[in-house]
Amino acid sequence: ETGVTQSPTHLIKTRGQQVTLRCSSQSGHNTVSWYQQALGQGPQFIFQYYREEENGRGNFPPRFSGLQFPNYSSELNVNALELDDSALYLCASSLAGGAYEQYFGPGTRLTVT
Amino acid sequence: AQSVTQPDIHITVSEGASLELRCNYSYGATPYLFWYVQSPGQGLQLLLKYFSGDTLVQGIKGFEAEFKRSQSSFNLRKPSVHWSDAAEYFCAVGDDYSGGGADGLTFGKGTHLIIQP
Repeated sequence: ETGVTQSPTHLIKTRGQQVTLRCSSQSGHNTVSWYQQALGQGPQFIFQYYREEENGRGNFPPRFSGLQFPNYSSELNVNALELDDSALYLCASSLAGGAYEQYFGPGTRLTVT
Repeated sequence: AQSVTQPDIHITVSEGASLELRCNYSYGATPYLFWYVQSPGQGLQLLLKYFSGDTLVQGIKGFEAEFKRSQSSFNLRKPSVHWSDAAEYFCAVGDDYSGGGADGLTFGKGTHLIIQP
């Protein structure tokens, strides 16, 4: 059974640029959620994708967007990067239809300079 | 809105001693509760979960947690800690997605566990 994988591991961007982060869900899981974890904080929910559509969203601006593909993998896109976007971005996969537990990937560390 | 409070930012425990990490939640319905552990620079690993039924749940690595509805608490315990337990621990509350839409998991700010030799 393959766990949740994310790429890249680290990246550095400049303020105003755009970034795309990628996530492959755990085998058998059809739902992907994205979280932002600032240094010293707990993860914060960005959004969730199910059946290639956004299924729920946290308190994040529209410049945070995503995609889910037919194989259930997902992308997180952030436009017009700000310094405060520097964080660990975590992807989690789960089964939809109930409060199934979410399994997290190792994360992508984004630094905005 | 749901919320999670972990009152202890840091806890120091001697190796071999018992451990209890506190978690209080605020939620309007029956909560779905989780404990995750995060080692430095890593993602989150699920330790245990409570959905319904027996209020004492067992997890991996010898951890257990007890759901107390009257106290809105879900404290994590371990009878004897090992040096490898040093990490950040997060309590989280989730929603039942069967009602449509998803609010994701709401996490506490975490408790940093330090193990003394």
